[in-house]
Amino acid sequence: NAGVTQTPKFQVLKTGQSMTLQCAQDMNHEYMSWYRQDPGMGLRLIHYSVGAGITDQGEVPNGYNVSRSTTEDFPLRLLSAAPSQTSVYFCASSYADDLRGGLSTPYEQYFGPGTRLTVT
Amino acid sequence: GQSLEQPSEVTAVEGAIVQINCTYQTSGFYGLSWYQQHDGGAPTFLSYNALDGLEETGRFSSFLSRSDSYGYLLLQELQMKDSASYFCAVGPYNTDKLIFGTGTRLQVFP
Repeated sequence: NAGVTQTPKFQVLKTGQSMTLQCAQDMNHEYMSWYRQDPGMGLRLIHYSVGAGITDQGEVPNGYNVSRSTTEDFPLRLLSAAPSQTSVYFCASSYADDLRGGLSTPYEQYFGPGTRLTVT
Repeated sequence: GQSLEQPSEVTAVEGAIVQINCTYQTSGFYGLSWYQQHDGGAPTFLSYNALDGLEETGRFSSFLSRSDSYGYLLLQELQMKDSASYFCAVGPYNTDKLIFGTGTRLQVFP
């Protein structure tokens, strides 16, 4: 069981370049999410997905796209990199079994090791 | 609005007890989670309070009071390996998002 894996571990981009951060999990979790973490700050939610084919925006979605074609994979695309997107990116997954009125808040999430992205 | 406040830093010595507070200004939420993150590492889940009151897991306990808009993480018998950042997180009503606080850096000294 590999858990949540992320690639690459490190990446340097030039302003305007695009790229995809990969995230995969082998725990059959319905819920997956992407966070960014800036120095001295908490985790801010970028996008999330409650199941294959379903995605939604988090707190800071601008400049990022996601898709969820399978349960296992949840890639994050940077459309046109900007220096403000320099950050550490974490992918996380969890079961969506904490249902209240159809919602499934992921209180217990499993995080990947992170991708350190620098945009120059 | 949704806002979680934590002290930025807490220091303590080995063997001591430390409490990390989490105060929230939000319209309502279902529960409160705590995560630990060592420098350079990924966050790891510590505890979850679905109801008001105290939850105990070994040396760590977590408390929630919705009426006081307040929760805390209590770490007992501190060890050097407990030096890390600790984040509280809530799931606001009518969303399926988990929103994190800005984190508290705990430094444990010998």
